[in-house]
Amino acid sequence: QVQLQESGPRLVKPSGTLSLTCTVSGDSISSNDWWSWVRQPPGKGLEWIGEIFHSGSANYSPSFKSRVTISIDESKKQFSLRLTSVTAADTAVYYCARTFGKLIGLGVRYYGMDVWGQGTTVTVSS
Amino acid sequence: EFVLTQSPGTLSLSPGQRATLSCRASQSLRSNSLAWYQKKPGQAPRLLIYGASSRAAGVPDRFSGSGSGTDFTLTISRLEPEDFAVYYCQQYGSSPRTFGQGTKVEIK
Repeated sequence: QVQLQESGPRLVKPSGTLSLTCTVSGDSISSNDWWSWVRQPPGKGLEWIGEIFHSGSANYSPSFKSRVTISIDESKKQFSLRLTSVTAADTAVYYCARTFGKLIGLGVRYYGMDVWGQGTTVTVSS
Repeated sequence: EFVLTQSPGTLSLSPGQRATLSCRASQSLRSNSLAWYQKKPGQAPRLLIYGASSRAAGVPDRFSGSGSGTDFTLTISRLEPEDFAVYYCQQYGSSPRTFGQGTKVEIK
């Protein structure tokens, strides 16, 4: 059974850099899955931040594109989020999640975000 | 970029009633790559439906998804007390994998 666990500082200063790591257990990180970051600011909805494939190919939301980097370390079975120039608006619960993919014939079919970390609250404050 | 619009914003219903939630996409979704998630306070989102109409593992059959192209629906046939939550649709067929703004199903 795949499990994800977020880790990283819970408090970040304004204009600083938010860094979180997600550790994958119970399955290979080198499969057909995309590994994602999603956040939920207080009182608001879910926001997709971006994702990465085991090859290192990454996609980002235009809302974050200039500030965000997602990286992956297959040997450690971890992927990470780095968000620069943070403000109070970046205070949120941050989740890592898997978009499950399965090889079907010559292509990959995706099945949505089926596994999530428990989430970690990050507060941006001086 | 796909924009997903959910309606209504809030649905006030009683246990045992039927809930119908809508999600409209700004463009036709490739391969019906639409998912529905349930979100409760203090918990991670839970995948309910993928591929617009397929139930995820362990999801009760009172949850069903339908639709294609740009219009999608999540139906909860008979609301149980544990179903009162916020529901989000998400398109995952292309990047960015956007979420709708959510529909809150509250107890009337």
